[in-house]
Amino acid sequence: GEQVEQLPSSLIVQEGASVLINCSYTDSASVYFPWYKQEPGKRLQFIIDIRSNMERKQNQRLTLLFDKKTKHLSLHITATQPGDSAIYFCSAREGNTRKLIFGLGTTLQVQP
Amino acid sequence: EAAVTQSPRNKVTVTGGNVTLSCRQTNSHNYMYWYRQDTGHGLRLIHYSYGAGNLQIGDVPDGYKATRTTQEDFFLLLELASPSQTSLYFCASSGRDFANTGQLYFGEGSKLTVL
Repeated sequence: GEQVEQLPSSLIVQEGASVLINCSYTDSASVYFPWYKQEPGKRLQFIIDIRSNMERKQNQRLTLLFDKKTKHLSLHITATQPGDSAIYFCSAREGNTRKLIFGLGTTLQVQP
Repeated sequence: EAAVTQSPRNKVTVTGGNVTLSCRQTNSHNYMYWYRQDTGHGLRLIHYSYGAGNLQIGDVPDGYKATRTTQEDFFLLLELASPSQTSLYFCASSGRDFANTGQLYFGEGSKLTVL
């Protein structure tokens, strides 16, 4: 089945910096790749997604890049704020199923 | 925004104990899911369902039962709890937008400790 790997496992940056979170997957049949954010003690929230027929998607300070050939995604967050501190999860929708396979998450800490 | 509520939010039991985690969604979503979240393992799917009376096996089902009694309610059952089931459990639901986005709507989590 699908496997999702995510790096780095943690990041500490100063407010205003940009960060890059990398994600790779194994199943070429996967089409949708949603990302989630989990603030401390809170539920996971959907933040952005990309489909395999796209190369780039932007939502305000979030930019998601996708390389189908290498099965690699990267989430770029610009002008980070303390409120961006959270665990970020990459996921892949397994084939045509209703299942999402999650990476292990990247813990981002933005220091003021 | 989709509303998914879980109860209890915190539960402590002993090895061999019987635990039921409850989840209710009020957005008429067909699909509901139970995940567990553990350090070093991320989120792993236990069971899911596409409607009342339906149950689909997830990726880590051993030791868990689940039952979907109505479109709104999905229960996770641990009949002989073990310390390895100490975890943070999330319920989620998905609707028609999942087909185009993969978006799940999560509950706030239930922390289970098995002593």
